[in-house]
Amino acid sequence: DIVMTQSPDSLAVSLGERATITCKSSQSVFLSSNNRNFLAWYQQKPGQPPKVVIYWASTRESGVPDRFSGSGSGTDFTLTISSLQAEDVAVYFCHQYYSTPFTFGQGTKLEIK
Amino acid sequence: QVQLQESGPGLVKPSETLSLTCTVSGDSGGSISSTYWSWVRQSPGKGLEWIGYISYSGTTTYNPSLKSRVTISRDTSKNQFSLKLRSVTAADTAVYYCARQGLGFGVVTNMDAWGKGTAVFVS
Repeated sequence: DIVMTQSPDSLAVSLGERATITCKSSQSVFLSSNNRNFLAWYQQKPGQPPKVVIYWASTRESGVPDRFSGSGSGTDFTLTISSLQAEDVAVYFCHQYYSTPFTFGQGTKLEIK
Repeated sequence: QVQLQESGPGLVKPSETLSLTCTVSGDSGGSISSTYWSWVRQSPGKGLEWIGYISYSGTTTYNPSLKSRVTISRDTSKNQFSLKLRSVTAADTAVYYCARQGLGFGVVTNMDAWGKGTAVFVS
């Protein structure tokens, strides 16, 4: 299984400041035949299902604000929120869909400082 | 816009079988005869865990950690897919989600639509 490890487990950031979450996979999730990283980021608010914000490591889902961005390749990935808004408070998960069993990171709880 | 809705008992006795159904609706990509359809569960102790999926053609792939106890099936006439998890224990207590996974570049992609989830307690 590909193990996904996020850091930090929790993060408190002031409104308007940058939030950065990292995710490391135990093996590469890059497929050279299509030049894609099989990595997504999800946002989950209390009582709601996860919602995809980034897929293919850096493609923003339709409707997601452009303050959200994803980067990285191979085994190291980053989710950045450039200017934290109150509505961004949530738990964020990374997810690899490169190979089964599909796996998720343990989650990073993002709060307002 | 596709919608997914889980249904099934919220309480299951130990050693019995957990049975859930996901009903899919909506015009955009809402046919279970297209793309991939997954079950995922979430518990405080184990986080998010992918259980398995059924493909547009009816083939299934399961998480090896649960494979001996899981069956995912579908009813195309009702646009539903189902989960059966046998011999449950307290460790199977979780919120269970059904989700759609995309099909891109000829491979299964990320989960892009989720049901609201249903809590199942084993006790």
